[in-house]
Amino acid sequence: GDSVTQMEGPVTLSEEACLTINCTYTATGYPSLFWYVQYPGEGLQLLLKATKADDKGSNKGFEATYRKETTSFHLEKGSVQVSDSAVYFCALSDNNTGKLIFGQGTTLQVKP
Amino acid sequence: DADVTQTPRNRITKTGKRIMLECSQTKGHDRMYWYRQDPGLGLRLIYYSFDVKDINKGEISDGYSVSRQAQAKFSLSLESAIPNQTALYFCATRSANTGELFFGEGSRLTVL
Repeated sequence: GDSVTQMEGPVTLSEEACLTINCTYTATGYPSLFWYVQYPGEGLQLLLKATKADDKGSNKGFEATYRKETTSFHLEKGSVQVSDSAVYFCALSDNNTGKLIFGQGTTLQVKP
Repeated sequence: DADVTQTPRNRITKTGKRIMLECSQTKGHDRMYWYRQDPGLGLRLIYYSFDVKDINKGEISDGYSVSRQAQAKFSLSLESAIPNQTALYFCATRSANTGELFFGEGSRLTVL
C-alpha cells in the first residue's frame, strides 16, 4: 500500500541554519504531496503542497519540490527561526478518497 | 471561533468505559476524518465519511465506531476503552476544491 517515510528526528539547529527534512513516498498513481506543521499544543496546519511532478510548493520561506523520479518531497528552508520549532509531517493524498497518509513526523528544535 | 471544533479537549477515563469524542465544523465540507496520533507513528486514519450516508473504515478502525449525525458533525466512540487507546485524536475536514485537510485542535484521551 501507499506509504510515506520521513527522516528520523529530532533535528536540532541554531537560528539561521539551513534546514532539510527528507521525505520519500511509495504510491500507485499520481498522489498529491503535502507538508503539514504542528506547533506545540495545536492541531496540524497545511504548510505547503504540490499536486504534480516538478511542482514546487512554498510558504513562509519553506519549499519542497515534487520529484517523481526519486519519489521524494524534501522540505527545505534557507534560514530557520526559533519560531519554526514544531513537528513537521509529510503526507500524500489518495486522490479518490481524499484521505492523507502521513509520515511519522520530524521534530525540529531551533535554538537561539 | 475555530472552523473545526473538537470536544472534549482532554479526557481521562478508566478501562471499560464508553467514551465519545465529538467534532463539528463550520466549513461546509462533505468529507470528514478521524485520526489518532501516537509518538513516532505519525497520524493513522481511524474512520472517514464522504457524507451522512457514507462511512468507511480506515487502517485502524478496530475498537472504534463513528456516527455522522449531520454534514457538520462527526463523532468517534470507544465502546469499551482500553489503555492502548491512549492517544491524541484529531478530526479533520477536506476541501473539495483544494484537497487540503483542516484539522481540529485535538482531543487528548488517557485510558487508565
